[in-house]
Amino acid sequence: NAGVTQTPKFQVLKTGQSMTLQCAQDMNHNSMYWYRQDPGMGLRLIYYSASEGTTDKGEVPNGYNVSRLNKREFSLRLESAAPSQTSVYFCASIPRYPNTQYFGPGTRLLVL
Amino acid sequence: AQSVSQHNHHVILSEAASLELGCNYSYGGTVNLFWYVQYPGQHLQLLLKYFSGDPLVKGIKGFEAEFIKSKFSFNLRKPSVQWSDTAEYFCAVNPANNAGNMLTFGGGTRLMVKP
Repeated sequence: NAGVTQTPKFQVLKTGQSMTLQCAQDMNHNSMYWYRQDPGMGLRLIYYSASEGTTDKGEVPNGYNVSRLNKREFSLRLESAAPSQTSVYFCASIPRYPNTQYFGPGTRLLVL
Repeated sequence: AQSVSQHNHHVILSEAASLELGCNYSYGGTVNLFWYVQYPGQHLQLLLKYFSGDPLVKGIKGFEAEFIKSKFSFNLRKPSVQWSDTAEYFCAVNPANNAGNMLTFGGGTRLMVKP
């Protein structure tokens, strides 16, 4: 099992560019999540998908969109990147409630 | 909405010192509680969790945490820290009736252990 994988690991964008962060899990988990991590603020939930075919906003959804492509994959898209979106992005998954979330290795994004 | 507070943002200890990191949450109902650790350059890993039962929970690497419901607290402890415990520690809360299994994280505590 690879667990939760994320691509890319690093990315530099210019303001206004778009990109998609990819996340996949091979543990047959139902729910998947996207967080951003900023210094002193912990992790904040951007979007989540409780099950295949559903997505919902988290605490900080503005400027992002998501797609739950299938049970394995949950992508995060920045349509027009802004410097405020410079952060480390983590994907996570959970098999069912109650349980712990399993995190991916993260994507470091710098928006210039 | 619930919130999680970690009052110590930075902690510096010498090896063999005892550790206690505070975590308080604001939510009136039943909660699930977690401590995660993030070693430098790595992703978050679960240290321990509390769902129900004995409020004193033991986790990996000698860590433990005590859930005190009356104080809305879930403090993390370790009797004797090692240099390898240098990391950032996050407390997280999940209300028990949360259908989306969403976690709310505290701001994190950076621990540096001097050899």
